[in-house]
Formats: sequence, C-alpha cells, structure tokens
Amino acid sequence: GAGVSQSPSNKVTEKGKDVELRCDPISGHTALYWYRQSLGQGLEFLIYFQGNSAPDKSGLPSDRFSAERTGGSVSTLTIQRTQQEDSAVYLCASSYSGGATGELFFGEGSRLTVL
Amino acid sequence: AQRVTQPEKLLSVFKGAPVELKCNYSYSGSPELFWYVQYSRQRLQLLLRHISRESIKGFTADLNKGETSFHLKKPFAQEEDSAMYYCALSPGTYKYIFGTGTRLKVLA
Repeated sequence: GAGVSQSPSNKVTEKGKDVELRCDPISGHTALYWYRQSLGQGLEFLIYFQGNSAPDKSGLPSDRFSAERTGGSVSTLTIQRTQQEDSAVYLCASSYSGGATGELFFGEGSRLTVL
Repeated sequence: AQRVTQPEKLLSVFKGAPVELKCNYSYSGSPELFWYVQYSRQRLQLLLRHISRESIKGFTADLNKGETSFHLKKPFAQEEDSAMYYCALSPGTYKYIFGTGTRLKVLA
C-alpha cells in the first residue's frame, strides 16, 4: 500500500531490554514525526525529521530514547533499557513538506508493552 | 505556551442528537487548526482543517479567535461517528500540538 507503515505492530518486552520501532513513510514525504499515544495523555510529540536531520528532538522524554532517519525515508525509534512507563502506542506520521498546512498521514502504530 | 485543551474525555449522545466536541487553544498568533479522527481499529486521519472551511461527513468547525475555540459540531449524530477525536494546532511551522482527545459514543 501507499500509506505509512510501522513495525512491529505489537511488541512485548521485559523491563531493561532495548527495543527498535520502525517507520516507513509515504514515498516523497520529507517530513516525519514520532508521537507517543498514552491512555488519557493524548498525542505526545517526540521528534521531527526534515529529510535526514532532526531539527526538533525536544519531545524525547529521556536520553534512553533516540531516533534516526536514513536516506530521507525509513526511521527507527530506539528505546534503551525500557521501563514500564514506556508502555504506549508509538505513532509515526509523515507529511509532504512539514509545513503548517501539510496533512499528517499516520501509521497504525506500534503498541509497546513493557512487563 | 501553546496548548490545546479538550475538556471532555468522553461524550455520549443518542443517534440523531446534535453533537459538539469542544476544543480550546492557547496561542498568541494566528494558528492553523485541525480535527483528526481515529475510528475503531483504523489509523488516525485528518477530518477537517479550518482553512478549508469545509464540511466533512456532516461535521463543521468554526474558528472563534475571541474565545480561542475550534469546536467540532454535527447537527445529527450517527452511530458511525463513534470514534476518538483529536483537536490539533499548528503555529505555522512544522509543529503540531494535539489535545488529549475526546471519545465520542453515539448510542442507538
């Protein structure tokens, strides 16, 4: 399909383990976003990419979180030494240009459960 | 600070009744405002944006700069409108700030 693709759709891990979440945006979309969706918390901004660079990492909750984007396409969000409070749905979205009028296209999310 | 407030976590209405999902924002400039919707087992998607001044699936939203509100309205709710609705603000850059969402349940 032509939509934003995320994997894995579900991930159960043990506290202290590292996890990698992958996002494949819509082809040609230069802007890519990661959000975290927690019950009752809405959508929490994590990081924004324009091309391969991340001009805004201000939403990453701690230094255990990192993200990269290669080739202006696929992005990986890595959470090291996972904690139970990291349990949430991690959403990726892409946009054609990252401008204010650009519609965000979301993936189906990766549900992370930390035991 | 830029903020979007959706005061209702859950809103239940009967089919055929009017519905209004509230959204208030805090921003000193002229923002772009959006409503996104997530139906059960579907991905989050754009419902409407204020600059388009359009009606989508019978929903409309008017930007009230005096009250800093962007409430979503529909005169006659349908069961298929049941979903999670998020109001979002963009200050004119790449940034999007989302509210905490309102779950709409339309009862038969």
